[in-house]
Amino acid sequence: AQKVTQAQTEISVVEKEDVTLDCVYETRDTTYYLFWYKQPPSGELVFLIRRNSFDEQNEISGRYSWNFQKSTSSFNFTITASQVVDSAVYFCALSESFYNQGGKLIFGQGTELSVKP
Amino acid sequence: DAGVTQSPTHLIKTRGQQVTLRCSPKSGHDTVSWYQQALGQGPQFIFQYYEEEERQRGNFPDRFSGHQFPNYSSELNVNALLLGDSALYLCASSYTLETDTQYFGPGTRLTVL
Repeated sequence: AQKVTQAQTEISVVEKEDVTLDCVYETRDTTYYLFWYKQPPSGELVFLIRRNSFDEQNEISGRYSWNFQKSTSSFNFTITASQVVDSAVYFCALSESFYNQGGKLIFGQGTELSVKP
Repeated sequence: DAGVTQSPTHLIKTRGQQVTLRCSPKSGHDTVSWYQQALGQGPQFIFQYYEEEERQRGNFPDRFSGHQFPNYSSELNVNALLLGDSALYLCASSYTLETDTQYFGPGTRLTVL
């Protein structure tokens, strides 16, 4: 069965602190895709990153970085020097390969990040 | 480049009524997926449409049905509304059946009284 677990329900930090959001996934497929989305109070899910199971390279985009480790089935997200505008709910999601009826996104419960000035 | 659009933004219905939600995909996208997000939860997959057919369905009852039109836009219909159907309904579009990135619309907030 496919499953995504975000054990941190809420995180509160002070501006300029670094923060890491954890994501652990379960799948039996060898080809799969991992995503992070941001959901601000407005409600719209904003795409942040997509990773396939064959690419374990870490990625950095500005203040955002992602650490993908197949050995521990984790895909963690770090925000460096957090800002108030980073306050939102962040979702990790999994999608299996097309040939295994993939296409649907399986979401974790989300982590609500609050960045205080 | 227009993103995914959904209408209406908010909707209030009473138990037993029927509702239709609409979605227009991002330009160039041909696949539409629908998700239900209850308060404080992650989105749950309802179904996905491609080439005007339901390709995949999540664990939702038959009261939930959909349609995709030749211009790739889509509708979600819910019959015999229950209080538990109150949620944010999100539409996402992507290109082809491949596991491509899904881009989401702003959602429709449905309240069932």
